[in-house]
Amino acid sequence: DVKVTQSSRYLVKRTGEKVFLECVQDMDHENMFWYRQDPGLGLRLIYFSYDVKMKEKGDIPEGYSVSREKKERFSLILESASTNQTSMYLCATIQGSSYNEQFFGPGTRLTVL
Amino acid sequence: AQSVTQLDSQVPVFEEAPVELRCNYSSSVSVYLFWYVQYPNQGLQLLLKYLSGSTLVESINGFEAEFNKSQTSFHLRKPSVHISDTAEYFCAVTANSGYSTLTFGKGTMLLVSP
Repeated sequence: DVKVTQSSRYLVKRTGEKVFLECVQDMDHENMFWYRQDPGLGLRLIYFSYDVKMKEKGDIPEGYSVSREKKERFSLILESASTNQTSMYLCATIQGSSYNEQFFGPGTRLTVL
Repeated sequence: AQSVTQLDSQVPVFEEAPVELRCNYSSSVSVYLFWYVQYPNQGLQLLLKYLSGSTLVESINGFEAEFNKSQTSFHLRKPSVHISDTAEYFCAVTANSGYSTLTFGKGTMLLVSP
């Protein structure tokens, strides 16, 4: 059974903290994606990666960075968390060779106080 | 670049009534289209997709969507909804060549009441 796992379902952090959100996939695919989901705004792409050590900015990269040291792991980093980064964060990868069909992890709901 | 417009943020319906969730897209290239569903407190999962061939595609739980290239639409329909269909539905588009990112609409919340 294919899986995309995210390190935490719920996370509470304080303003200014450095936050790591981890994502691991077992689909052996090069492409991985990080989105944030906010009510009324849908899903917005933060960063994506086409291969190990490679990263590309999405639509809203400000305040975030990423790390892709291994094919199966893609980390999202909030260098200095702020309250406007309170959101649901979703990681995704491509399912097999299936025409850009993305498979999502369960999400991490981050609250920044 | 692509864009997606979901015209309704919320659609309330009664159980066993028909429903249509609207999706329009914009793209300068040919596309693949997807509908994803998110049930309460769950992750996003694929409901159905249009890649090529027949413009009418169906899901296993009775939803269908029709790709209309001239109207750049991919509306989602179900002839009779159940309480369990209550969820948020997202339309998404991607270019149909090479690897490309998905662009999502803002979502439509389907609220089914008895």
